[in-house]
Order: sequence, then C-alpha cells, then structure tokens
Amino acid sequence: EIVLTQSPATLSLSPGERATLSCRASQSVSSYLAWYQQKPGQAPRLLIYDASNRPTGIPARFSGSGSGTDFTLTISSLEPEDFAVYYCQQRMNWLTFGGGTKVEIK
Amino acid sequence: EVQLVESGGGLVQPGGSLRLSCAASRFSFKSYAMTWVRQAPGKGLEWVSGISASGGTTYYADSVKGRFFISRDNSENTLYLQMSSLRAEDTAVYFCAKDLKGNTALVTYMDVWGKGTTVTVSS
Repeated sequence: EIVLTQSPATLSLSPGERATLSCRASQSVSSYLAWYQQKPGQAPRLLIYDASNRPTGIPARFSGSGSGTDFTLTISSLEPEDFAVYYCQQRMNWLTFGGGTKVEIK
Repeated sequence: EVQLVESGGGLVQPGGSLRLSCAASRFSFKSYAMTWVRQAPGKGLEWVSGISASGGTTYYADSVKGRFFISRDNSENTLYLQMSSLRAEDTAVYFCAKDLKGNTALVTYMDVWGKGTTVTVSS
C-alpha cells in the first residue's frame, strides 16, 4: 500500500497569505496525485488532478506541482472560503488518501 | 446539475448487514467508474471500493475485502454497496463518487460526490 504523508497537520494563516501544503508518497506515484478540499459537514471537492491540472471551475489561485514522491498544493492568496481541510490522493496503486492538512485562520 | 444521492445508512449491530444505494442523475452513469469513500467520525478519508463503468471490474480496500460487495445497475443509474459482517470500525459517513475520467476500467479521481449516508455499527 502506498502511504501518503501530509504536512503540516495544521497551517495557521491569515486571509491574503500564501499557503503551501505538502504530500509525500512512500513510493513513486508518478504524477497520479490529486488534491481535495473538504469543509465541515460537506463532501470533498476535487481541486487538482494528475498533480497539476485544475478541473473546470476551480479558481486559478489553487495550483499543484511535483512528481514521483513529493507534491505541493499552493494557494496563492487565501480567501475566507479556503479555510478547510485538504487531502491528497494517489491512484498509482489502488487509491489511498493522505491524513489531511487543516488550514485555519490565524 | 450532476447529482449523486446516497441512502440506506443507519444503525446496525456488530456482525449485521446493510446495503447502501447511490442514485445518479444528469450524467451518463454507464460511462463512468464509481467509487465509495468513507470517513469515520473526526477522521480522514478512506477509499473503500470502486467499480468500472461496465461493472465488470471491482476493487476493494483490504479493510473491507471479503465483507463488502460493490455493484451497479446501469439501467437504473444506481450504485450499491452491500456490507456484511459489520464491525464498530466500519462506523462512518459513506460517500459515493463519480470518476473524473469516463470510459475507463480504472478508478482514478472523484469529481462529483454525494452528501453521504451515515452508518453506525453499535450494539
């Protein structure tokens, strides 16, 4: 099983600041990685797939990078609605999710 | 708007069974792989099971293999998850989700999610 480790567990930032979230895989997942956002009481929302592609409707302030074992989700300037939990997910070998990073208001 | 609506959750005793359903609408259900993902209270996301667009290929997490069975009825636009030998650790909100990439045998990423249905396993 491919284990995804997300860091930090919690990120405390202010609106307008840049957020950088990390996801590290226990073995190479090539570019087969996605990022999701989840708010309390809601289903997850797909933000990024194949490491760096945004689905239609996802704002450009969300960007993804990386390949192999190290990946980054960057939110260029936090909006109030971006405070949430973010998960990475790989599809190289079955599907697994990371443990999540909570982005909270500082 | 593309929609997924789960149902069938509830309270069940350890060792019991439950069948979840997921009704799909406003997209070509038969063209997409589908997935079940669960979330235990206060915890992260856990992939449970996936099924190809045709239903001919199924996938299971080790934690549910041999106990859960995924199926679909493409004529009724409905996805199912038959759960048996339920354990306390199966307690979670269960989400069904549509695969991003159509016409594949694989499950890849999930771009449309239902609101979830809650399963509680307790005596």
